[in-house]
Amino acid sequence: ETGVTQTPRHLVMGMTNKKSLKCEQHLGHNAMYWYKQSAKKPLELMFVYSLEERVENNSVPSRFSPECPNSSHLFLHLHTLQPEDSALYLCASSQMDKSNYGYTFGSGTRLTVV
Amino acid sequence: EDKVVQSPLSLVVHEGDTVTLNCSYEVTNFRSLLWYKQEKKAPTFLFMLTSSGIEKKSGRLSSILDKKELFSILNITATQTGDSAVYLCAVEAGTYKYIFGTGTRLKVLA
Repeated sequence: ETGVTQTPRHLVMGMTNKKSLKCEQHLGHNAMYWYKQSAKKPLELMFVYSLEERVENNSVPSRFSPECPNSSHLFLHLHTLQPEDSALYLCASSQMDKSNYGYTFGSGTRLTVV
Repeated sequence: EDKVVQSPLSLVVHEGDTVTLNCSYEVTNFRSLLWYKQEKKAPTFLFMLTSSGIEKKSGRLSSILDKKELFSILNITATQTGDSAVYLCAVEAGTYKYIFGTGTRLKVLA
């Protein structure tokens, strides 16, 4: 266990469904991130929250909607996804004033869109 | 455009071999370079490098950065099957901005 917990571990959803991914960190970090990892592609940064303020990657489709209710929790709300959205979604956290160790990653949610 | 390129994409070796993984980068605002090991899902931190020529070492793993030639290498000596994983290189190129390579998939055969 890394200190960053993601649920669910696996998710299969239809293109018309609405679901949410959850991330929780117990490290006292002040920044949280969503990354998408597709096969044979680099990790793609989707969203960043620092001190609960969002820094957004503009290329992320609106069918992905993040929410950060507090510094320990991060959600990714999903609706009307496409099959190409199937990927591993990784949450990470960091302490922004100490970049010595980069991120701490969660174990990810393996999402399959059918 | 900032980019990080890792090579080789995949590698198969036998236990006891030594491997060298490469990471080259082109970024406008370099802050640090990080190596991660990803076995199943969660990438785990290995090293952070900020200064050229200073080797970081942890057991059989070591890494060094060359800021003039814009690359880093990760060495693994006396490889074991437990070293089988994807090794990710990332460059910190600004606040919130980590650029990842595609990774090198290492398989160590018994």
